[in-house]
Amino acid sequence: AQSVTQPDIHITVSEGASLELRCNYSYGATPYLFWYVQSPGQGLQLLLKYFSGDTLVQGIKGFEAEFKRSQSSFNLRKPSVHWSDAAEYFCAVARPNRDDKIIFGKGTRLHILP
Amino acid sequence: DAGVTQSPTHLIKTRGQQVTLRCSPISGHKSVSWYQQVLGQGPQFIFQYYEKEERGRGNFPDRFSARQFPNYSSELNVNALLLGDSALYLCASSLGQVNSPLHFGNGTRLTVT
Repeated sequence: AQSVTQPDIHITVSEGASLELRCNYSYGATPYLFWYVQSPGQGLQLLLKYFSGDTLVQGIKGFEAEFKRSQSSFNLRKPSVHWSDAAEYFCAVARPNRDDKIIFGKGTRLHILP
Repeated sequence: DAGVTQSPTHLIKTRGQQVTLRCSPISGHKSVSWYQQVLGQGPQFIFQYYEKEERGRGNFPDRFSARQFPNYSSELNVNALLLGDSALYLCASSLGQVNSPLHFGNGTRLTVT
C-alpha cells in the first residue's frame, strides 16, 4: 500500500533563511509525487508535481523539490522564505495513470520568525 | 474564471442526523473528488466521480455516498452522523485525464455535536 511520511510536524525558520521540508514515500514503483500548501481556512494549492523525467522539479512561489529514488524521498526546498510562506505543507503520492486518489502525508506546519 | 466552489462553508449537525454537501467544479472539468480532512491530519480520499460514474472509492463506510449531476456538480451525503465525522470536507475537480492536476475548493467545515 502507498504511504507518505512527513517526519516533521512543525518547523520554524527565520524570514530570509532557507527551508527544506522532508517527505518519504512507500510505493512499489515510481509514483506521481506532489507538494500542496494549505493556508488557514483555505483549500489546498498545488506547489509542484513530479511525474517523470528531470528529478529536480520547479514549482510556484519559488519552491523546488528533488525526487531521489534511492532514498524514496521528495523533499521540498526554498532558498529564502517569506513571512507569507507560513502555512501547512502536504506531501502526497498517487498511482500513475490511475484515478484521482491521492495519498497525503500528515503535513508539516511551517512557522516563520520575523 | 471561478474556482471550485463548495457550500455551505460551515455546518453544525447533531449525531444521527444526515448531511448533504455540495460542490461545483471548475468549468470544463468533468471529474470531482471528495476528501475528508480531520484536524491535524492530511486529507483522505472518499470518492471520485467522472462523467457521472464512480471511478474510485476510499476506505469509508456505506454511510458516505455521493453522486454527480449532468452539469458535473456533485453532492456528498453522510447518513447517521457520528462525532468522528467532524472534519473539513474538500472537493477537488480535474479534467479527469491522465496527469490532470486537482484543483481544490476551500471546503465545508462540518461539526457534529
